[in-house]
Amino acid sequence: EDKVVQSPLSLVVHEGDTVTLNCSYEVTNFRSLLWYKQEKKAPTFLFMLTSSGIEKKSGRLSSILDKKELFSILNITATQTGDSAIYLCALPTGTASKLTFGTGTRLQVTL
Amino acid sequence: DAGVTQSPTHLIKTRGQHVTLRCSPISGHKSVSWYQQVLGQGPQFIFQYYEKEERGRGNFPDRFSARQFPNYSSELNVNALLLGDSALYLCASSFTVPVGTIYFGEGSWLTVV
Repeated sequence: EDKVVQSPLSLVVHEGDTVTLNCSYEVTNFRSLLWYKQEKKAPTFLFMLTSSGIEKKSGRLSSILDKKELFSILNITATQTGDSAIYLCALPTGTASKLTFGTGTRLQVTL
Repeated sequence: DAGVTQSPTHLIKTRGQHVTLRCSPISGHKSVSWYQQVLGQGPQFIFQYYEKEERGRGNFPDRFSARQFPNYSSELNVNALLLGDSALYLCASSFTVPVGTIYFGEGSWLTVV
């Protein structure tokens, strides 16, 4: 059975801290791994990763994939209160008609 | 450009009733997927439609059904509502299948009392 596990489940940090969120997976026929940020309702797309070792970067956020060890990390540097959200990791599974999501990591950034 | 639009945004139903949720994908996108997100969990896949055909179905009972119209909009129907159906229902669109990046709507909050 396809599985996506995120850790930690929740995290509270102070503004300015750096955080690392983890996503490990077990899927047949890996295609890609996606990260989403969910603040209130709609998850918004952050990154799609397909190749090991190639870092994707957008501002203070970056992500990397390790296809040998079957995990990805999402880093956020110099965190701000606006980074408070649930971060979701997902992979296309089955016939690729669907995404399988982890339970998410709830990040709270305090002043 | 309009993103994925869903209606209604919030609704309250009584156990045993029926509900219809609606979704319009991003212009040019032909694939629509539906997900259920219960509080504290990640979204769970319900259905995917592409070119008006069902391409995938998640592990949900037959009370859940969906369809896609010629203009690529979609409806999700849930019959005989249970308390456990209370959740955020997300619609997502993508250009094609297999799925890569998908874009979510704001969702429909369903509360069953």
